[in-house]
Amino acid sequence: KAGVTQTPRYLIKTRGQQVTLSCSPISGHRSVSWYQQTPGQGLQFLFEYFSETQRNKGNFPGRFSGRQFSNSRSEMNVSTLELGDSALYLCASSLNRQAQETQYFGPGTRLLVL
Amino acid sequence: AQSVTQLDSQVPVFEEAPVELRCNYSSSVSVYLFWYVQYPNQGLQLLLKYLSGSTLVKGINGFEAEFNKSQTSFHLRKPSVHISDTAEYFCALGDSSYKLIFGSGTRLLVRP
Repeated sequence: KAGVTQTPRYLIKTRGQQVTLSCSPISGHRSVSWYQQTPGQGLQFLFEYFSETQRNKGNFPGRFSGRQFSNSRSEMNVSTLELGDSALYLCASSLNRQAQETQYFGPGTRLLVL
Repeated sequence: AQSVTQLDSQVPVFEEAPVELRCNYSSSVSVYLFWYVQYPNQGLQLLLKYLSGSTLVKGINGFEAEFNKSQTSFHLRKPSVHISDTAEYFCALGDSSYKLIFGSGTRLLVRP
């Protein structure tokens, strides 16, 4: 089976712009979570989607949003980009919504905001 | 509030030596514990996880971890490391909220 794929892998934007990142989960996986990784804050949970519904949200401003499609693919959007949004954005998928399940991570999208 | 503490930001070790990466957690409810590894410019890969039962968990690449409830620890060990084990290692806690709470990471640097 193919792993979790994320596109694009690298992105450069300027302050004030908006960006959309895409995540395709492992085939058959229905839950998709997003995490932000920065040197200062480490790995932080953004949100989780299951059956096209946001089930959980981390402590991020409303500029961060996401959605999930009927084929379980997910997108996250960041509007009005700030320098501090520069980070590696990781997507993870799992089969169902069970806490003991393994979350499989993609390679990430590295976003640089200038 | 739940939290994960990785006590060492960097651990240098010589090739073929044993290594232990320390992880302590704080939680008032039952949790699941995970160790992930991240190689440069890659995502996270699961090494092992503790759900219940035996406190000694074996994972991939020769790694193992021991769950200690009384000390709220979940330390990762490998009896003999290789150069290829150089990477960043993350301890994580999961619960019914279904999000993972990660520690700050430990960079393992294996020297020849």
